[in-house]
Amino acid sequence: KQEVTQIPAALSVPEGENLVLNCSFTDSAIYNLQWFRQDPGKGLTSLLLIQSSQREQTSGRLNASLDKSSGRSTLYIAASQPGDSATYLCAVTNTGGFKTIFGAGTRLFVKA
Amino acid sequence: EAGVAQSPRYKIIEKRQSVAFWCNPISGHATLYWYQQILGQGPKLLIQFQNNGVVDDSQLPKDRFSAERLKGVDSTLKIQPAKLEDSAVYLCASSALGGPGNTIYFGEGSWLTVV
Repeated sequence: KQEVTQIPAALSVPEGENLVLNCSFTDSAIYNLQWFRQDPGKGLTSLLLIQSSQREQTSGRLNASLDKSSGRSTLYIAASQPGDSATYLCAVTNTGGFKTIFGAGTRLFVKA
Repeated sequence: EAGVAQSPRYKIIEKRQSVAFWCNPISGHATLYWYQQILGQGPKLLIQFQNNGVVDDSQLPKDRFSAERLKGVDSTLKIQPAKLEDSAVYLCASSALGGPGNTIYFGEGSWLTVV
């Protein structure tokens, strides 16, 4: 059974700092891994999607990496801004049935 | 492109009452998901449809929850009778399986409070 864990559960950083959010999963038979952002009272917005054959994806100040063999992914946020404050969730989609399992998220607060 | 539409956005009901949530996915998306998100937790998949067939409903409490996707387009999730522990956000999402990387698009959610 696939389990997704995100560490840390919460993180507070000063504006301008570079930071890394971690995601680990137990079953490496994945189709893809996605990082989402969730603002309070809102739904989830997809940030980056990494296919199982890829090692990383970049979008603006965001870079996500995937190491399938070790069951790990990281989301790197460069030059953090107060507008980055949100909960970041990772989700893996398993091969066969395409079931998508979410982690509990990392709540990020960027202080001005 | 219109996003995933959900209604109602907010609902307060007493325990043992019933409630229904509606979802209209992005046009052309074959896969539709219902997730339950309890405060402070990640979303938990309740049911996944591929067109109008059920792909996975292993975590759907079938004694009280039901869902349907008629004609493979919009979907309804029903809870009857509701329990206090059903208080959560119910998120609908859709994806175009076989499209660009199977990105999942979420609606804003339906917030349920059971008192």
